[in-house]
Amino acid sequence: KAGVTQTPRYLIKTRGQQVTLSCSPISGHRSVSWYQQTPGQGLQFLFEYFSETQRNKGNFPGRFSGRQFSNSRSEMNVSTLELGDSALYLCASSQGQGYTEAFFGQGTRLTVV
Amino acid sequence: DQQVKQNSPSLSVQEGRISILNCDYTNSMFDYFLWYKKYPAEGPTFLISISSIKDKNEDGRFTVFLNKSAKHLSLHIVPSQPGDSAVYFCAASAGPSDMRFGAGTRLTVKP
Repeated sequence: KAGVTQTPRYLIKTRGQQVTLSCSPISGHRSVSWYQQTPGQGLQFLFEYFSETQRNKGNFPGRFSGRQFSNSRSEMNVSTLELGDSALYLCASSQGQGYTEAFFGQGTRLTVV
Repeated sequence: DQQVKQNSPSLSVQEGRISILNCDYTNSMFDYFLWYKKYPAEGPTFLISISSIKDKNEDGRFTVFLNKSAKHLSLHIVPSQPGDSAVYFCAASAGPSDMRFGAGTRLTVKP
């Protein structure tokens, strides 16, 4: 069974640009969550999608958005990039119903210069 | 809003001894708790979980303890091995759409 795939692995963008990150969940998983990891801050919850609907959202500005497609693949978009957006962005997939563990991808390392 | 807190950024133990990683949470709605391990350049991997109806769960060398009244959980690793050296994240969930993580504790197991 293939794991969670995130693309691209690395990205360098300039302040003010926008970026789109992609996540393909484990086959059969309908929930995709996104997290931002920065040193000392742990994994900060961005949002969660289930069956193309956003079910939950963390405390991030509106520049951060996401969507999920009918095949459960998800994208997140960050507009008007700021230096502070430099981080590792992790996506996790799970079945989305009941309490089960989430499986993470390797992440996308975004650097804003 | 840090609803899940890991107050020790790092922990160093000798091989063969016990490692105890701690986690506190503030949201009383959390009823499912997990520990993840993360190596550099990899995503976190699931280690062990516990639901709020239990106070202990064991899986080999790993045991998680939950104290609901104190809103505290801990992960015990016995015996610790050098391969256990990683960052450990505590996570808590109030439902399938909402999992919150702590800041992580870097465990170093010395040979």
